[in-house]
Amino acid sequence: DSGVTQTPKHLITATGQRVTLRCSPRSGDLSVYWYQQSLDQGLQFLIQYYNGEERAKGNILERFSAQQFPDLHSELNLSSLELGDSALYFCASSVGDFSDTQYFGPGTRLTVL
Amino acid sequence: SQQGEEDPQALSIQEGENATMNCSYKTSINNLQWYRQNSGRGLVHLILIRSNEREKHSGRLRVTLDTSKKSSSLLITASRAADTASYFCATDGTTGRRALTFGSGTRLQVQP
Repeated sequence: DSGVTQTPKHLITATGQRVTLRCSPRSGDLSVYWYQQSLDQGLQFLIQYYNGEERAKGNILERFSAQQFPDLHSELNLSSLELGDSALYFCASSVGDFSDTQYFGPGTRLTVL
Repeated sequence: SQQGEEDPQALSIQEGENATMNCSYKTSINNLQWYRQNSGRGLVHLILIRSNEREKHSGRLRVTLDTSKKSSSLLITASRAADTASYFCATDGTTGRRALTFGSGTRLQVQP
């Protein structure tokens, strides 16, 4: 158990819908990272927050947004969902702003029908 | 595109044998990490090696890093059926050290 929690574990929704994925980092970790894992694209970095501020952006679509709250939990919002958004979404956390060891949550499996 | 490319893509060995996986990357790095993923589950951090280190050990794991060749290898000795998983290398060089860029992974199958 990494100490990072993600909810929900599974999400099934329809095209065009909007969903919110939630992540709680390990106690004491200030950075939260979001990654998407799909069969065709592999593991892709989406976005990073450090202590409430956005720090780095990767291959995140404009339809996706994220935020980190004062209690350091983070939410990833996915809107206007398409079939291709079906994937595993992982949250990871680390102590600092730079990428030393990251601890991954169990993931949320999103299925868009 | 992926920063790192693992080789081989898949590896099948018998319990007790050693497994070696290789990773190549493209840009300069500060550190390189190896992670394990059991089917459809979260990634588990195995080991981190910094750019000024050449070799590191952790239990049955041995990692080497050759920055001149932009490559790393992960050796698992005396493999067990429980080592069956996908193994990924991850580097920090492409995002200003703020996130990890993962390779495509090696699927390891250890036959009992």
